[in-house]
Amino acid sequence: DVVMTQSPLSLPVTLGQPASISCRSSQSLVYTDGNTYLNWFQQRPGQSPRRLFYKVSNRDSGVPDRFSGSGAGTDFTLKISRVEAEDVGVYYCMQGTHWPYTFGQGTKLEIK
Amino acid sequence: QVQLVESGGGVVQPGRSLRLSCAASGFTFSTYAMHWVRQAPGKGLEWVAVISNDGSHNYYADSVKGRFIISRDNSKNTLFLQMNSLRAEDTAVYYCAPLKYWGQGTLVTVSS
Repeated sequence: DVVMTQSPLSLPVTLGQPASISCRSSQSLVYTDGNTYLNWFQQRPGQSPRRLFYKVSNRDSGVPDRFSGSGAGTDFTLKISRVEAEDVGVYYCMQGTHWPYTFGQGTKLEIK
Repeated sequence: QVQLVESGGGVVQPGRSLRLSCAASGFTFSTYAMHWVRQAPGKGLEWVAVISNDGSHNYYADSVKGRFIISRDNSKNTLFLQMNSLRAEDTAVYYCAPLKYWGQGTLVTVSS
């Protein structure tokens, strides 16, 4: 199975400051069709997950543009340009290229 | 608006079976592959299974392969998860999702 490794696992950030989460896969996530099926999800406390990005950098509707997704191959990054209070929660990457799909361990973002 | 309502969770003894349902509305259900994702108490997200939009293909996590069966009824906009030979480690909130949207989840507790 493809192992997804996120870092850091805990991310204390000052309001208004940037934040960055890394996600690395144990195999390339480039599919035979040329697409890279890497998703990012946000799970706020007490809520269901919400998808932020699909295929690395395609932002879902309603996701603020202070969030960005980037990367290729095996290395991916989720960035928040200026953290706001509503961004508190756990962030997960998930690969959808290889069966079975797999999630990263999650990165808990908190306000410092 | 989009709604995904999971049901069928509860407390069940090890070795027994349970069938989860997910009623979808507000989007064209028959055009989306549908997933089950679970989250054990206080833990991260674990992908469980997926079924193609027409029900012709499905894939499972190694942890549930041979015990769980995913199915769908596009005429009723409903997704199912038949869970057999349940184990304590299957205890989790089970979410149905086309990934773009998520339900609120249903709690399954496997305990004697």
